[in-house]
Formats: sequence, C-alpha cells, structure tokens
Amino acid sequence: AQSVSQHNHHVILSEAASLELGCNYSYGGTVNLFWYVQYPGQHLQLLLKYFSGDPLVKGIKGFEAEFIKSKFSFNLRKPSVQWSDTAEYFCAVNFNFGNEKLTFGTGTRLTIIP
Amino acid sequence: NAGVTQTPKFRILKIGQSMTLQCTQDMNHNYMYWYRQDPGMGLKLIYYSVGAGITDKGEVPNGYNVSRSTTEDFPLRLELAAPSQTSVYFCASSYSGTSEKLFFGSGTQLSVL
Repeated sequence: AQSVSQHNHHVILSEAASLELGCNYSYGGTVNLFWYVQYPGQHLQLLLKYFSGDPLVKGIKGFEAEFIKSKFSFNLRKPSVQWSDTAEYFCAVNFNFGNEKLTFGTGTRLTIIP
Repeated sequence: NAGVTQTPKFRILKIGQSMTLQCTQDMNHNYMYWYRQDPGMGLKLIYYSVGAGITDKGEVPNGYNVSRSTTEDFPLRLELAAPSQTSVYFCASSYSGTSEKLFFGSGTQLSVL
C-alpha cells in the first residue's frame, strides 16, 4: 500500500539551530508532494509543495524542501529556526495525478526552546 | 473572510447516538474533504466531493455519510456513534483538487463514550 513516513515524531531544538524533518514515501511513480503546518491553535496550512521542475522548493517563513526521487524523500529544512516555528508538521503525498486521495504522514511535533 | 467553518468545535456523544458535523466554505471551492486525525496518526480521508451533488469515498468511510447539496456546504453524518469514531475531524476545501492548496477548518474534537 502507498504510504508516507515521518520518522521524527517529536523534535526539540534551540532557537537558531538548523532543522531537517524527514519524509519518505513508498511509490515509484509520479507524485505531488506537500508540507502542511499546524501552529498551536491555528488551522492546518500549506507550507510548500512540489509538482515538477527544480527539486528544491521554497515555501513560506524561510522553509524549503528537497525532492530526491532516488530516495523517495521530500525532507523539510530551515537553516535557523525561531520560537514561532513551534508547530506540528505534516508531509503529504498525492500518489496519482488527478486522484483526490492525499495521503498524510503521521506528523512531526517541533518544539523550539527560546 | 471566513474561509472554512466547522461546527461544533467539541462534542461528546454516547454510543449509538447520531450527529452531523457541519462544514461550510465561502470561497466558491469545488472540492471539499473530510479527514479524521487520531493521536499519533496522520490525517485519513473519510469522504470527498468534487462538486455539488457528487461525493466519493475516501480511505476510511465506514460509519459515515455525506451529502453535497450546495457548493458551500459539506456535512458529515455519524449515524450510530462508536468509540472508534473518537477523533479530531477536519473539513477542507480547494478550488481544483489536491494539486492545489487545501484550506482547512479548525477541527471538531469528538468523543464517543
């Protein structure tokens, strides 16, 4: 079955540290890739997405993600985190173009210590 | 600009009771979705709709029903609540499907006791 894995369940970092959250998926075909974020008390919102082209995509608030097809990965990165980045981060994959079934990972809770 | 509005925010049901979770959006989006999120799990798609009058099952549809009589509204109905339906429910919408950004509601925390 097609699946999305986020191996980091809870990550704790100090401000200014660099961040990388892992996301792997189990499918070798064409995929659309997303990172969504849920800040405390707020709605889930889109952070960034990849469809095609440059495998390094930039999103809001200084986040970026790199699609590595050979590794089935779409890791999220930020060079220097802030306290306001404390949130839950979800990787999501659309495994078949035109299919409305977006598959989410289990999420990674990120806590930034001031 | 309201976006996607879900009601209620919290609800406690007894086993066997029924209820409807309301979802409405004011962005004229064609696509609407219902997800559930269990602790330590990702969001699972329950049902979705690509337009008024059209609905389809997602990954976990058992125990739920939906309707889409208007573009704005996409209610989710639980007919015979079971403890396994204790979860956080999210409604979402988009203009042209999951290839575009989904707009999410704030969620409904449902407990079935």
